[in-house]
Amino acid sequence: KAGVTQTPRYLIKTRGQQVTLSCSPISGHRSVSWYQQTPGQGLQFLFEYFSETQRNKGNFPGRFSGRQFSNSRSEMNVSTLELGDSALYLCASSLAGGYGDEQFFGPGTRLTVL
Amino acid sequence: GQNIDQPTEMTATEGAIVQINCTYQTSGFNGLFWYQQHAGEAPTFLSYNVLDGLEEKGRFSSFLSRSKGYSYLLLKELQMKDSASYLCAVSPDNYGQNFVFGPGTRLSVLP
Repeated sequence: KAGVTQTPRYLIKTRGQQVTLSCSPISGHRSVSWYQQTPGQGLQFLFEYFSETQRNKGNFPGRFSGRQFSNSRSEMNVSTLELGDSALYLCASSLAGGYGDEQFFGPGTRLTVL
Repeated sequence: GQNIDQPTEMTATEGAIVQINCTYQTSGFNGLFWYQQHAGEAPTFLSYNVLDGLEEKGRFSSFLSRSKGYSYLLLKELQMKDSASYLCAVSPDNYGQNFVFGPGTRLSVLP
């Protein structure tokens, strides 16, 4: 069974630009969550999508948005990039997102903002 | 608010036993997860506790005390490959995957 895949793996952008990251969950998984990981803040929850609907949202500004498609693939978008957005963005999928459901993480997209 | 604390770094010797502690204060509780993350890699699932007590899985065990807001991960017969960061995460809601992660404990296993 293929794992969670994320594209691209590495990305370099400049301040003010926007970026779109993609995540393909494990086949059959309907919940996709996004996290930002930085050395200073650790892993922080961005949002979760389930059946094409945003089910939970973390404390990030509106510049961070996402969506989920009918095949459960998800994208996240960051507009008007800031230097502080440089981070590893991780996507995780689970079967239904119920409590106790294990999350499987993708390899991440490392975003560098110059 | 949500708060999870773990020691920042620990060092242990190959073959030894190490215990990594985690304390949490969250708005709700529907389980505690431990993940392992090697440098430059994605976190991988180690264990899940929702009831008080000890869960054992091979060389890894995890303990939970909900009344104390406390958990620990016990690693036995340490191997060099166990050098990694260990992340404690709490699921505060009864649905959804908005996990709250601790800062992680970087474990170094020395020969």
